[in-house]
Amino acid sequence: EVQLVESGGGVVRPGGSLRLSCTASGFTFDDYVMNWVRQVPGKGLEWVSGISWNGESTAYVDSVKGRFTISRDNARNSLYLQMNSLRAEDTALYHCARDGLGSTSMDVWGKGTTVTVSS
Amino acid sequence: SVLTQPPSVSGAPGQRVTISCTGSSYIIGPANDVHWYQQLPGAAPKLLIFGNNSRPSGVPDRFSGSKSVASASLAITGLQAEDEADYYCQSYDSTLSGSKVFGGGTKLTVL
Repeated sequence: EVQLVESGGGVVRPGGSLRLSCTASGFTFDDYVMNWVRQVPGKGLEWVSGISWNGESTAYVDSVKGRFTISRDNARNSLYLQMNSLRAEDTALYHCARDGLGSTSMDVWGKGTTVTVSS
Repeated sequence: SVLTQPPSVSGAPGQRVTISCTGSSYIIGPANDVHWYQQLPGAAPKLLIFGNNSRPSGVPDRFSGSKSVASASLAITGLQAEDEADYYCQSYDSTLSGSKVFGGGTKLTVL
């Protein structure tokens, strides 16, 4: 079964750091572009970051540039999001999502891990 | 949001509804595909339409997509109670390499 499982969420104070992980199974991980997408409860989806199959190319939404770093370990079938200098507005459910082959759509999603930034 | 969707639409069972998605030409342009997602309450988003008008395996043909210059639409025919969900369009920002963008989402209510 194709599956993505996120972990690493939690409660952190403003200015703090957190590292999210996403473990993939059921498909050849290093064939795919991977993404992080977040959703504030009751609000819409926001694409946060994406990374190429080999990790050499990355992209970020403006609001996290310089604070978040996406990375991957293809040997471990894992995707990561290092989040530094966290702000209250980063509070959200963070999903890991796979790009479809040859597409900019996201065809497989994890259930998400919750990040709460609060003092 | 960079892509604009109506906040809500509604329809009775059996009816047809459409959800629009509008944006700048550098986002919904000739080279940029539009995709649609369905999010049921409490669930992760599910890819509904990719590449403007293609359905992943398992998505009923009641769902269809279209795209023209700077706009796209999702149509749902034969509306069913289980279609009640949030729907999001998504595309790619040609001015920011690798960046994806979502619409603000549309809540579909089945009356």
